[in-house]
Amino acid sequence: EAGVTQFPSHSVIEKGQTVTLRCDPISGHDNLYWYRRVMGKEIKFLLHFVKESKQDESGMPNNRFLAERTGGTYSTLKVQPAELEDSGVYFCASSQDYGLNTEAFFGQGTRLTVV
Amino acid sequence: DAKTTQPPSMDCAEGRAANLPCNHSTISGNEYVYWYRQIHSQGPQYIIHGLKNNETNEMASLIITEDRKSSTLILPHATLRDTAVYYCIVKTDGQNFVFGPGTRLSVLP
Repeated sequence: EAGVTQFPSHSVIEKGQTVTLRCDPISGHDNLYWYRRVMGKEIKFLLHFVKESKQDESGMPNNRFLAERTGGTYSTLKVQPAELEDSGVYFCASSQDYGLNTEAFFGQGTRLTVV
Repeated sequence: DAKTTQPPSMDCAEGRAANLPCNHSTISGNEYVYWYRQIHSQGPQYIIHGLKNNETNEMASLIITEDRKSSTLILPHATLRDTAVYYCIVKTDGQNFVFGPGTRLSVLP
């Protein structure tokens, strides 16, 4: 069974450009999460989808970030326009259920560098 | 904020057991303790989780004290590939996983 997959693995863009990250969760997992680690900081939660609905987007840093999950399958995270401080590694995770007794599985991440 | 505290770093000799401690003195009765690790720049890898009983799987064992205020992750025979940052996380109701700085485990040859 395939794990959580993310595309691209690396992206280098110029400040002001747009970048779209994609996440394919484990098949059958209704719950999808985005996290990120920016330079020197800890891994931080961004948002949580249940199927196609945003359950919790309290971690989204600002309105330059837009996450979608049309159809409740894969998800995209768009950054527009990108700023230097957006550089970091963006992780996606998925879980079958949501609750205290449910582990989530993470993808390998997309390393975003804004220059 | 993370509800756990861990030592920033530990060393372990290859082939020996690695015992990683975690304090979670404010844990509530229904909250689970999770362990993840991050090897180099890969994504966090799930290891194990538990509520109050000790748990064991193919990767590790989790020992939770009776008062649940602390726990220990045990890697029974550490290898060089176990060198990673290990995160102890208490999953709180209504919240997603909150990562702290973790413990950087170095397995030495």
